[in-house]
Amino acid sequence: GENVEQHPSTLSVQEGDSAVIKCTYSDSASNYFPWYKQELGKRPQLIIDIRSNVGEKKDQRIAVTLNKTAKHFSLHITETQPEDSAVYFCAASSSAMDPRGSTLGRLYFGRGTQLTVWP
Amino acid sequence: DTEVTQTPKHLVMGMTNKKSLKCEQHMGHRAMYWYKQKAKKPPELMFVYSYEKLSINESVPSRFSPECPNSSLLNLHLHALQPEDSALYLCASSQDTLWGSEAFFGQGTRLTVV
Repeated sequence: GENVEQHPSTLSVQEGDSAVIKCTYSDSASNYFPWYKQELGKRPQLIIDIRSNVGEKKDQRIAVTLNKTAKHFSLHITETQPEDSAVYFCAASSSAMDPRGSTLGRLYFGRGTQLTVWP
Repeated sequence: DTEVTQTPKHLVMGMTNKKSLKCEQHMGHRAMYWYKQKAKKPPELMFVYSYEKLSINESVPSRFSPECPNSSLLNLHLHALQPEDSALYLCASSQDTLWGSEAFFGQGTRLTVV
């Protein structure tokens, strides 16, 4: 199956600085890469995603880049704010087989990055 | 309605108890998932239902028994759990299980086994 590596495991930045989290994946057939933010005691929430036919996507202060050749993707947060403090998980969607022989997709998560933004 | 709703939010149960976790979505999604999450760890996939049929069981112990009564509901029946089963149990749904479907998570059930 797919293997997703995520670095760093912890990241501390000053408010206003940028933060970058990097992930690598092993299955070249993976084609969908979401990023989830999880605040303490809350559910994971999708903040941005990218598909394999796109190299970069931006949404206000958040951007994701994908390098299919190198099999890595990164989350970039600019002008960080204390409310950005949370655990961030990257994921890759790869194939799996169900008992009826149909191919379906499933998410493989990275181990998470605890981001702390100091005021 | 873009919500996945889970009940209860918190559950404390003894090792001899039987309880059920419930999950509901009204987004017309045809894939539903159970994940287990320990503190500071990523969600671990337990089960996937596709079109109300169990598609993936990640070698989960039989003391966890999933059920999908209809396309909007997903249950997880618990019996004879161990203290190490204490965790946050997350339900999620997606449009389908084709690659690239966004998964929406419920707020989770915080389970404590005593």
